[in-house]
Amino acid sequence: GAVVSQHPSRVICKSGTSVKIECRSLDFQATTMFWYRQFPKQSLMLMATSNEGSKATYEQGVEKDKFLINHASLTLSTLTVTSAHPEDSSFYICSAREGTGGPQPQHFGDGTRLSIL
Amino acid sequence: AQSVAQPEDQVNVAEGNPLTVKCTYSVSGNPYLFWYVQYPNRGLQFLLKYITGDNLVKGSYGFEAEFNKSQTSFHLKKPSALVSDSALYFCAVRGYGSSNTGKLIFGQGTTLQVKP
Repeated sequence: GAVVSQHPSRVICKSGTSVKIECRSLDFQATTMFWYRQFPKQSLMLMATSNEGSKATYEQGVEKDKFLINHASLTLSTLTVTSAHPEDSSFYICSAREGTGGPQPQHFGDGTRLSIL
Repeated sequence: AQSVAQPEDQVNVAEGNPLTVKCTYSVSGNPYLFWYVQYPNRGLQFLLKYITGDNLVKGSYGFEAEFNKSQTSFHLKKPSALVSDSALYFCAVRGYGSSNTGKLIFGQGTTLQVKP
């Protein structure tokens, strides 16, 4: 149980392109979803937290107009990297959790490797 | 402020030997503690969690972790390491209570290398 599916697993595109990444909870309702960015051999950096039906809460230093997050249903959240540039190249990981608090663990997708040429 | 420290960048152990990956935390109030494992180019897989109760928590793939409140530690252990355990391990904490944000705070990660 507790499977999170993230798609696509890898994207290679030209500078200026907008890229959408999907994150789905397959067997549970994800009240809260999280988007992380991970640089090589480093820990995860939280970008934003989204609760279903409300606006995402972005971490300090993360441009909300650059990284658009939509959490329209209890099983789907999307991250759109708008007008991507080479510095946006990274490994993006989503996670999902049932409820907004409590001891439930977060369950993670397999990540999306984004490469901007 | 909440924080997690994993003091070792890398742990090397021979197959069949016991392994320990260290983690200490700082949180106001009571913590929820988690261990995750990450294989190359993959997301994080949940291993185990401490909520309350017994200080020794058992998780997936034979891993266990011991919660020590006085030392604010939550070290990950396994009695007999396998080569397939080689991966990147993350400790994480989430405080609960009104003074906490509910966010999961990760340590910097420890690479476990199990040699045959």
